[in-house]
Amino acid sequence: GAVVSQHPSRVICKSGTSVKIECRSLDFQATTMFWYRQFPKQSLMLMATSNEGSKATYEQGVEKDKFLINHASLTLSTLTVTSAHPEDSSFYICSAGREDQPQHFGDGTRLSIL
Amino acid sequence: AQSVAQPEDQVNVAEGNPLTVKCTYSVSGNPYLFWYVQYPNRGLQFLLKYITGDNLVKGSYGFEAEFNKSQTSFHLKKPSALVSDSALYFCAVRDGTGRRALTFGSGTRLQVQP
Repeated sequence: GAVVSQHPSRVICKSGTSVKIECRSLDFQATTMFWYRQFPKQSLMLMATSNEGSKATYEQGVEKDKFLINHASLTLSTLTVTSAHPEDSSFYICSAGREDQPQHFGDGTRLSIL
Repeated sequence: AQSVAQPEDQVNVAEGNPLTVKCTYSVSGNPYLFWYVQYPNRGLQFLLKYITGDNLVKGSYGFEAEFNKSQTSFHLKKPSALVSDSALYFCAVRDGTGRRALTFGSGTRLQVQP
């Protein structure tokens, strides 16, 4: 069964809306989670590292005020796309894993901004 | 900086034939190497990993991969392909001494024909 749950699986909303995506580790505690973005027919690009109890670490070129990350507990990280615009439309995927284990990925969230 | 190259955008193979999906990597420290598979509109499923030990790694669904340090390669193989193996395959690497975020290759679409 899934060890990382991501919700929602699909979001369609109007431009200017803020969208929150949740990533939960189901049977382990994750001090670190990762958020990736995948454009159509392209690879996954790391956006940020979500750190429990502290600020997220963003990759170069990723706007931290645009993509707000909160990791308030050991089993939940959220990514909020603020004031979303059509160019933010993408497939967002989170991952988490125990320190010595491979990362497990959520099923992704397809975000479509009209 | 670490990187992964998957030179083939697509691999076509007939059902029952052996398949190979190529991957080469570049990393500064000891490589941790992974293969993941992605089905449409889904997250990534872990197939196998190499961290240390035998160069031939066996994973899920009959897949295996061979770590070749001199050629910095980690090709994915399966002796007999199934139509259900058709999917998008990603090779990924991380530095064993660094952060756990993965760097992905561009992906290879495997098409198995009946």
